[in-house]
Amino acid sequence: DTAVSQTPKYLVTQMGNDKSIKCEQNLGHDTMYWYKQDSKKFLKIMFSYNNKELIINETVPNRFSPKSPDKAHLNLHINSLELGDSAVYFCASSQGSRGHSPLHFGNGTRLTVT
Amino acid sequence: GDSVTQMEGPVTLSEEAFLTINCTYTATGYPSLFWYVQYPGEGLQLLLKATKADDKGSNKGFEATYRKETTSFHLEKGSVQVSDSAVYFCAANAGGTSYGKLTFGQGTILTVHP
Repeated sequence: DTAVSQTPKYLVTQMGNDKSIKCEQNLGHDTMYWYKQDSKKFLKIMFSYNNKELIINETVPNRFSPKSPDKAHLNLHINSLELGDSAVYFCASSQGSRGHSPLHFGNGTRLTVT
Repeated sequence: GDSVTQMEGPVTLSEEAFLTINCTYTATGYPSLFWYVQYPGEGLQLLLKATKADDKGSNKGFEATYRKETTSFHLEKGSVQVSDSAVYFCAANAGGTSYGKLTFGQGTILTVHP
């Protein structure tokens, strides 16, 4: 059973398009995250939700909009895609939001914008 | 703000060699510290963690000790295997109001040759 699953695994699209990435976790965790990993492997948090409520919103262009319909799902919608959005996007979850519980990551979505 | 600095890679070793990957952090308060491992094409997996000074995290032959006096959490393994080839990330979470906002180091690529 996959604990944190993301779809799609690969996403190739053209500049200006709008795309979504979906994430689901079956661990019963109450907190979910989106991280971005650039070509040099550097990881940076984008958003975090705790029980469907946004608790972390880093300096991310407002073309990126997360949505959490319930605590098991966190989707990421990206409008007007740009070349610089090309990266691997990871969804993660944890129990509790105070940072002492480890994060469980999905396998990532590799986004390529051409 | 919080920051994590890892030893620059890539690191290339022969099987059965000793491994050390250095990690130092700066954070307000007393962060929880983590090592994550990322195998090719996969998401990050928790390798080990420590939540207070002098704690030692260990897993799969890897160890790291939380050293408050040197603000370090160096990863060690006595005898590496080819299957340990991966990217290793040190991370810190200050907890408190930082929620699950992990700050990652830049990652260290480890390649182990037979």
